[in-house]
Amino acid sequence: AQKVTQAQTEISVVEKEDVTLDCVYETRDTTYYLFWYKQPPSGELVFLIRRNSFDEQNEISGRYSWNFQKSTSSFNFTITASQVVDSAVYFCALSDRIGESGAGSYQLTFGKGTKLSVIP
Amino acid sequence: DAGVTQSPTHLIKTRGQQVTLRCSPKSGHDTVSWYQQALGQGPQFIFQYYEEEERQRGNFPDRFSGHQFPNYSSELNVNALLLGDSALYLCASSFKGTGGRETQYFGPGTRLLVL
Repeated sequence: AQKVTQAQTEISVVEKEDVTLDCVYETRDTTYYLFWYKQPPSGELVFLIRRNSFDEQNEISGRYSWNFQKSTSSFNFTITASQVVDSAVYFCALSDRIGESGAGSYQLTFGKGTKLSVIP
Repeated sequence: DAGVTQSPTHLIKTRGQQVTLRCSPKSGHDTVSWYQQALGQGPQFIFQYYEEEERQRGNFPDRFSGHQFPNYSSELNVNALLLGDSALYLCASSFKGTGGRETQYFGPGTRLLVL
């Protein structure tokens, strides 16, 4: 069964510190997709990144970077020089195929989220 | 370019009542998925609609039903509301394209409180 574990429930850092959010996943599929979403207090989930299982290159986007390691089934997210605006709940999600369904639908399975508080 | 929109933003109902939530997908998207997010938890998949049919369903009872219209908008209906149905209901849209490996974009959600 698919499972996403975000072991860190809450993290607090002081502004400008670096912070890493951990994500470990379980799947039996060889083709799957991993995502990170940000959920500010307003509630809307904001898409940050998508990574497919065949691409293990790390990615950097501004202050954000992602480390995908298939050998340890991890997809960790690092924020460099954190800012107050980074305060939110961050969700890691796994998309893999649940049976066969018409055009081949994938189902998103989310972790429980990590609440990040950046203190000024 | 409008993103995913949902209505209403907030709703208060009593046990046993029925509720309908609405979602308009992002322009160019043809697939709508619904999620329930309880307080302090990650979103849980309810079901997905594509070509006006329910394509996939999560572990939710039949009290949860939906519909997709020809313009790709969607409704989520919940009958016989229980206190445990209180949650944030999120709609996500995507473009099926080929292979179904689409990224889902989420709306702001509807907060439902059942008293």
